Parts: sequence; structure tokens; C-alpha cells
Amino acid sequence: GQQVMQIPQYQHVQEGEDFTTYCNSSTTLSNIQWYKQRPGGHPVFLIQLVKSGEVKKQKRLTFQFGEAKKNSSLHITATQTTDVGTYFCAGPGGNKLVFGAGTILRVKS
Amino acid sequence: TAGITQAPTSQILAAGRSMTLRCTQDMRHNAMYWYRQDLGLGLRLIHYSNTAGTTGKGEVPDGYSVSRANTDDFPLTLASAVPSQTSVYFCASSDSMSTSSYNEQFFGPGTRLTVL
Repeated sequence: GQQVMQIPQYQHVQEGEDFTTYCNSSTTLSNIQWYKQRPGGHPVFLIQLVKSGEVKKQKRLTFQFGEAKKNSSLHITATQTTDVGTYFCAGPGGNKLVFGAGTILRVKS
Repeated sequence: TAGITQAPTSQILAAGRSMTLRCTQDMRHNAMYWYRQDLGLGLRLIHYSNTAGTTGKGEVPDGYSVSRANTDDFPLTLASAVPSQTSVYFCASSDSMSTSSYNEQFFGPGTRLTVL
């Protein structure tokens, strides 16, 4: 069945450094979503990408959907302590959403 | 608006006991979901409901049951809890189950369940 692989599993960065998490699918996706979960919190929707090669920005966050629509990335420029948490990608698997395992981001101040 | 509420916030349960996790949404969403979250495994779908009166099995349904008597409520029942069901459980909802169009999921605050 549909699988969504996410790397790295964990990353610890110095405040001000950049961070990137990658998401890869075994099949072509019609769209991909990204969620953020703060420590102790619940996942919160960030964005959905639909078009091949699409790039969207939200302040310091840049989301990209690959040309083949089988991979995606989330890049954070100049991380801040407020960026800590787990970032999930999710793609359609049949009529359901399949989540990646998530990337845990820790930021040292 | 409250969005999605879950109860209880946390629970310690003896193995073999039954328990129902409650979930209520006030957004009139058609679709609702139950996920469990375990470290390193992400969010795994237990059961889902496309609309009131219908339910379906997700990736890890064994040991769990759900019902959807109305639009707002989607309780999850563990008939006879086992230690492997120790996890954080999230309820979520979305306008529909369509995955081909814009359809974000809204998550509740979660229930932390420990089965001893």
C-alpha cells in the first residue's frame, strides 16, 4: 500500500541555523499536506501542495512539491526556539491520508 | 468555537478492562478519524467515518471499535485493553474524506492512555 517515508527522524540545530525535512512517497501523489505538532500538543495543519514543482512560503518556512509529485520538502530558514516540534507530511492513500513518521526538531538557544 | 474536544485527557487502565474514548466536534464536519501516535511510527489510522452512520477500518483497527450515531460524536472503544494499546490517541475531523481536493484535518488535544 501507499507509504510515505520521512527523513531525518530527528534533528537538533543551533538557533539561527537552517533545517530541512524530506518526504518521499512510493507512488505519485495528487497532493501533499504538512502538519506541525508542538511538544505535548496536537498536529496542526500548515499547508497543502497540489501542483508539480509547486513552492509555497510561509514567513521562514518554504514548502516544495517535487516535479514528479513523489517527494516534498519543508525548509525552515534561521530556526527559532518557537520552531521546535514534530513536522509531519501526509499524502493520499486510497481515500485516506497517510502520515509520515515525522521529523522531530529541537533548537538549541 | 471549541473545534474538537476529547475526553479524558489521560487515563491509566488495567489490562482486560474496557474503555471508551470520547470525541466531539462542533464544525459539522462529515468525516472523522481516530489515530494512535507512537514514537517513531507517526500517526496511524485506527478507524474512520465518512459520514454519520458509516465507519471503516484503518491501518490498525484490531482491538478497537467505533460508532457514528450522529455528525458530532465519534467514540472509540477498547473492549479489552492490552498493554500494547498504551499510546496517545488523537481524534480528527475534516469536511470530507476526499483526498483529491483541499481537505485539512483538524485534530483534538489527544488522550494519553496507559494500559498496565
